[in-house]
Order: sequence, then C-alpha cells, then structure tokens
Amino acid sequence: ETGVTQSPTHLIKTRGQQVTLRCSSQSGHNTVSWYQQALGQGPQFIFQYYREEENGRGNFPPRFSGLQFPNYSSELNVNALELDDSALYLCASSAGTVRETQYFGPGTRLLVL
Amino acid sequence: GESVGLHLPTLSVQEGDNSIINCAYSNSASDYFIWYKQESGKGPQFIIDIRSNMDKRQGQRVTVLLNKTVKHLSLQIAATQPGDSAVYFCAETPSAASGSRLTFGEGTQLTVNP
Repeated sequence: ETGVTQSPTHLIKTRGQQVTLRCSSQSGHNTVSWYQQALGQGPQFIFQYYREEENGRGNFPPRFSGLQFPNYSSELNVNALELDDSALYLCASSAGTVRETQYFGPGTRLLVL
Repeated sequence: GESVGLHLPTLSVQEGDNSIINCAYSNSASDYFIWYKQESGKGPQFIIDIRSNMDKRQGQRVTVLLNKTVKHLSLQIAATQPGDSAVYFCAETPSAASGSRLTFGEGTQLTVNP
C-alpha cells in the first residue's frame, strides 16, 4: 500500500453534470499529480499541484480543474461531463516536483452515461 | 511514447522462467525512467526506477536496463511467479524542466502460467 487514498472508488454521472474527485497524499509528500486512464491505455497526465499551486498541465480542456489544500490533499473537478470522460482517474503523490518517484492511489472509476 | 490503441502487447511465460518486457521511448531529453506494475482494478505500483546517468539498476528479482543510444528500456523479472501477472508500464519524465510529470508507454500484459 502506498498511503495514497482516493474517494469515491466508483461514480456514475450523466452528461453535462459536474464531478469532484478527492485524493489524500502520502505522509510527507507535498506534490500531487492527476492522471486519466482510459480502458486499455496508459495513464495520461492531467495536471500537477505543488504546495497549493498548479505546476504543469497536460493536454486537457479548462473544464478539468483542481485544487490542493494546505495539508497537500487535492481535488479534481470536471465540469460539463462528456461520455469520453469515462475513465479511471488516478492521483499520485511525490516528495517534490523533479525526478521524484510518484506513488499512485487506487483510482476512482468514473462512468458517464 | 504515448499510449495508442486498445490492444496491449502480451507476454506469456511459464512460472519460474525469466521475463523481459521492453519499452521504446521517443524523447531523447528524458532523464528519469520508471517501471510500474498495474493489477486489474488497482493503481500503478512502483517497481524500479533508473536515471539517465546509469545503464543498469537491480532490485529484488528485477533489473532495469537503459540504452540511451537507441532509446530503449527493458525490465527483467527473474523467476517469474503467478503474482507477477499484471500490466507493466514504462514511464519517462521528459525533462527536468517539466517537473515530474510522467509520460507512460502503452503497457505490456504479462501472464504467468503455472
């Protein structure tokens, strides 16, 4: 176990709705990265938060947004859900932003109908 | 490189054999590489990493080899066990300037037959 937790484990939403996913980082880690993993594919980087500030963003539209809190836990928010947003959402925590090992949580499985 | 398609490369081995999983990367500026194991329904689990100033690193039953000339990474698992059955991903950090964002390869499904 990595010590990274995510909630909820599963979620079903309909198109156009909004969703918030949560992640608690491993003790001592100040950086959280979010990834989207479609079925049968590798994870795709969404964005990273370091000490409550966004520190890099992948090729995702602005309706994907995030937050990091003073305790380094994090939220991923997705507005105006689309069918293609159905995926496993993974968060990973690390002890810093440069060449630090990222430890993943179990993920949240989102299904958009 | 980026993940493409829905069909993972597969590798099937007998219990006790050695396994070699290969990965090609595309960015010559990448300087940090990681292998992850992902079991069904779980998040990726860190196995081993290697920095670009090394060409080999060993862990418990696993060895990672890095060939920067041909941009190739491999993971060797010794005495493969049924519990090693999973999807294995290589991941790279494109450059120090991009922080620790990871770019994942397409993954390889390893099946260990008893």
